[in-house]
Amino acid sequence: GQSLEQPSEVTAVEGAIVQINCTYQTSGFYGLSWYQQHDGGAPTFLSYNALDGLEETGRFSSFLSRSDSYGYLLLQELQMKDSASYFCAAESSYKLIFGSGTRLLVRP
Amino acid sequence: GAGVSQSPSNKVTEKGKDVELRCDPISGHTALYWYRQSLGQGLEFLIYFQGNSAPDKSGLPSDRFSAERTGGSVSTLTIQRTQQEDSAVYLCASSQMWTGSPRIGPNTGELFFGEGSRLTVL
Repeated sequence: GQSLEQPSEVTAVEGAIVQINCTYQTSGFYGLSWYQQHDGGAPTFLSYNALDGLEETGRFSSFLSRSDSYGYLLLQELQMKDSASYFCAAESSYKLIFGSGTRLLVRP
Repeated sequence: GAGVSQSPSNKVTEKGKDVELRCDPISGHTALYWYRQSLGQGLEFLIYFQGNSAPDKSGLPSDRFSAERTGGSVSTLTIQRTQQEDSAVYLCASSQMWTGSPRIGPNTGELFFGEGSRLTVL
């Protein structure tokens, strides 16, 4: 089957750095995406990794290791508005399979 | 419109009734997805349309669920004889497949989601 594992909840302090891990098991894997979803809102695209290594987009970075079937999202200089759920999503045969999401709570 | 539009935003129905959920994707997007999200849970893939190709229905949970996409644009998700376990938010997303080289984005393209249709089955 196809599955993605990520922690259910992470808490961090404003201004800190937090890493959200994702391990995946999918067939026909092309790449790993990350989406953010605020309560009651629609998921929005954050980043994508097709190749091994680190991709940086402002305060957010995403990493992929294909050999380890592992990736992570790194959020730096945390702000209160970063409190949301974060989903990793594996691209498999032209569709996205989502993990169960990590709820990030940023405290003052 | 500028974004993905879904209707109704909220639907309350009685067990056993049929419901139809509508999705109007972003103009020009060839791919359209339906996902289901239960409270506090992840996104469960339901069905995927790409252009004129046969849809990928592998995520539909039972034969009570069906979807169609007319004219390569608007899509309707139909749930027949609704059950209480069907209660969830149904999310639609559209995308334009990445065609650039080198590929810096997902094959699927960035998915743009609608606000969802919240279905409650009493």
